[in-house]
Amino acid sequence: AQRVTQPEKLLSVFKGAPVELKCNYSYSGSPELFWYVQYSRQRLQLLLRHISRESIKGFTADLNKGETSFHLKKPFAQEEDSAMYYCALLSKGYSTLTFGKGTMLLVSP
Amino acid sequence: EAGVAQSPRYKIIEKRQSVAFWCNPISGHATLYWYQQILGQGPKLLIQFQNNGVVDDSQLPKDRFSAERLKGVDSTLKIQPAKLEDSAVYLCASSVGRMNTEAFFGQGTRLTVV
Repeated sequence: AQRVTQPEKLLSVFKGAPVELKCNYSYSGSPELFWYVQYSRQRLQLLLRHISRESIKGFTADLNKGETSFHLKKPFAQEEDSAMYYCALLSKGYSTLTFGKGTMLLVSP
Repeated sequence: EAGVAQSPRYKIIEKRQSVAFWCNPISGHATLYWYQQILGQGPKLLIQFQNNGVVDDSQLPKDRFSAERLKGVDSTLKIQPAKLEDSAVYLCASSVGRMNTEAFFGQGTRLTVV
């Protein structure tokens, strides 16, 4: 069975500091991984997906199959990045999307 | 495009009562998900539909929860009877297809069972 682990419930940084939100997964097969974000009073929405290899709002995430990780990084955090971040894994069989417990990112001025 | 619509936004019921939630996915989206999100946790999949067929309901407590997606469009999720531990936000999401497609979420229904 697939599993997504986000070890930090809360990550608090100052504006301009680098950010790394950790995500580890367990899955027997080739994973498809995503980061979803939920800003205050807004819907859960897709931030980025690993196959796109894109940078969204300055965030990047690299899939490391050896370490089974998909950490989300940003070199310089902004106050508007404050939100809940969820790592998610898409299984190939049923295409079930499994979420981690989430990490709250707080960026202080 | 219009997003995923859910109603009601909030519901308070007593334990052992019944409750139903409604979801209207984005037009043309074949896949529909219902998630339960308990406070402090990530969304947990309850049931996934592909058109009007169920593809995964392994985590749905079938003794009290039921869901249907008649005609492959709107969906309802029912709890009967509700327990205190069912207090959560119930999220509906939809996607175009099953493989590597973005899931779009509704705003959720916050259920409080007292």
